Amino acid sequence: DVKVTQSSRYLVKRTGEKVFLECVQDMDHENMFWYRQDPGLGLRLIYFSYDVKMKEKGDIPEGYSVSREKKERFSLILESASTNQTSMYLCASIRAGPAYEQYFGPGTRLTVT
Amino acid sequence: SQQGEEDPQALSIQEGENATMNCSYKTSINNLQWYRQNSGRGLVHLILIRSNEREKHSGRLRVTLDTSKKSSSLLITASRAADTASYFCATDGTGANSKLTFGKGITLSVRP
Repeated sequence: DVKVTQSSRYLVKRTGEKVFLECVQDMDHENMFWYRQDPGLGLRLIYFSYDVKMKEKGDIPEGYSVSREKKERFSLILESASTNQTSMYLCASIRAGPAYEQYFGPGTRLTVT
Repeated sequence: SQQGEEDPQALSIQEGENATMNCSYKTSINNLQWYRQNSGRGLVHLILIRSNEREKHSGRLRVTLDTSKKSSSLLITASRAADTASYFCATDGTGANSKLTFGKGITLSVRP
């Protein structure tokens, strides 16, 4: 079974803190994604990566950065957390190609106070 | 930008009834997928239908795709209380390495 794990299920941070969200997948997938999910807005893509050390901006990259030093690990970084970054963060991975399913992690509910 | 738009936004049915959810999209696609999300959890893939397919079945799920109308429907037959969840459609473009674009989701409540 494909497993996508995220470092925390729940996280509470203070405004201005630097926050790291880690995601690890164990199926050698090339592509990895970070989404945030907010009520009424659905899933919005923050960043994605098609290969090690490669990253591309999604629809809402402002306030975030990412790192992919190893194929299995994709990290989302909030350089200076703000209250409007309180959200559910979902990581996903997928094999390269046109017709594969995405596998999601369980999500990290981040609260910034 | 969100390509998939689900309809209705919320659906409440009695256990045993069928649930039909619709998705419309705007541009050409390679395939369309449906995902399910239980409250507070990650999404789980349900079914994928390719652009050259018109209908696909998986257990109690039936998905149709009409590329001329740029729409898809997900039918859950003989619903159960455990089907209560949010359902999302996702589409990818026709380019290589296209990322999925998700709709806002449909909240399905199945009353016991």
